[in-house]
Amino acid sequence: NAGVIQTPRHKVTGKGQEATLWCEPISGHSAVFWYRQTIVQGLEFLTYFRNQAPIDDSGMPKERFSAQMPNQSHSTLKIQSTQPQDSAVYLCASRNTGVGTEVFFGKGTRLTVV
Amino acid sequence: QQKVQQSPESLIVPEGGMASLNCTFSDRNSQYFWWYRQHSGEGPKALMSIFSNGDKKEGRFTAHLNKASLHVSLHIKDSQPSDSALYFCAVSRGSGTYQRFGTGTKLQVVP
Repeated sequence: NAGVIQTPRHKVTGKGQEATLWCEPISGHSAVFWYRQTIVQGLEFLTYFRNQAPIDDSGMPKERFSAQMPNQSHSTLKIQSTQPQDSAVYLCASRNTGVGTEVFFGKGTRLTVV
Repeated sequence: QQKVQQSPESLIVPEGGMASLNCTFSDRNSQYFWWYRQHSGEGPKALMSIFSNGDKKEGRFTAHLNKASLHVSLHIKDSQPSDSALYFCAVSRGSGTYQRFGTGTKLQVVP
């Protein structure tokens, strides 16, 4: 079990460019979450999929951010027209079904917008 | 909107000492509570969960939950330098919802 795998680990984009972040959840896990971590805002929820269906995207900035889960083995977070304030560590997590089951996080993708 | 606040922001304890971390939440419908630890360059890793009022002990770690007071705490006994990390509490309303994370406490255990 390699855990939740996120690629790339580091990404540098120029202002206005697009960034796509990839996540491979733990095999068999039905729920996938995306969070963003910064020093100022801490750990912020972005969006959540269950059985590949979008369940809650209340944390997603409405413009420029989108997430997809085309199959059970990967999810992507796309940021269009990146801005310096998008610089953060983006964390993907997954968990199995069941009451109060443990959430497993990947190591994150550090996005730097220059 | 649920607010989850942690205190203190940072904490220094001597090796072998007791570290006490606090977390308050605002939503009385919260049901599931977790403590996570994050080392530099890594994602958060779950330490323990607590779902019922009272104490729950796992090794050197004891969590305490008081839903009426909207408070959950984590106590680390016999702290080790390897316990130095960022600690988060996480709260959710139900098993089908996401966890909202607290503001974090940076713990440093000094030899």
